[in-house]
Amino acid sequence: NAGVTQTPKFQVLKTGQSMTLQCAQDMNHNSMYWYRQDPGMGLRLIYYSASEGTTDKGEVPNGYNVSRLNKREFSLRLESAAPSQTSVYFCASSQGPANTGELFFGEGSRLTVL
Amino acid sequence: DQQVKQNSPSLSVQEGRISILNCDYTNSMFDYFLWYKKYPAEGPTFLISISSIKDKNEDGRFTVFLNKSAKHLSLHIVPSQPGDSAVYFCAANFGRGGKLIFGQGTELSVKP
Repeated sequence: NAGVTQTPKFQVLKTGQSMTLQCAQDMNHNSMYWYRQDPGMGLRLIYYSASEGTTDKGEVPNGYNVSRLNKREFSLRLESAAPSQTSVYFCASSQGPANTGELFFGEGSRLTVL
Repeated sequence: DQQVKQNSPSLSVQEGRISILNCDYTNSMFDYFLWYKKYPAEGPTFLISISSIKDKNEDGRFTVFLNKSAKHLSLHIVPSQPGDSAVYFCAANFGRGGKLIFGQGTELSVKP
């Protein structure tokens, strides 16, 4: 089982460029999440999708958009990248919105914006 | 304003001894508290959780203690093993679901 797969694993962008981070899970989970990790900040929720067809903002949504393409896939888009978006991005999934918080994370995507 | 805080960035212990990782929180409305473990270049993995209505939960070598009056939880690892060396994140949520609020993390180093 692959679990949660993220692509790309590494990306370097110039300020103003756009890109999409892809995420897919094969566990038949209903809920999916995008977090970012910055030094000294822990992980912070960007957007989440409680179930197919729904998306909601998390703690730090500015500068991002998401698409829940189907039950398996949840993408994160940066329309105009800024240096403040340099971070490690983690996609995660869970059984559903009623779970106690156990998430399954992907390996992360390291993004550098110059 | 950090609602979940891990004030120790790092901790070093000897193999076989107890590791105690600490976490403080400010919001008494949190329902579940969780610990995640993260190795370099990997995603976090769930370790153990505790409901706010309990004060202790145990899973093998890992025990989490919750002190609601002090708004404090701790993770005990006994005995510590070199493979436990990782960054440990404390997290909390309101109600149920994966909208977690994470602490900054504590890097544990277990020396042989």
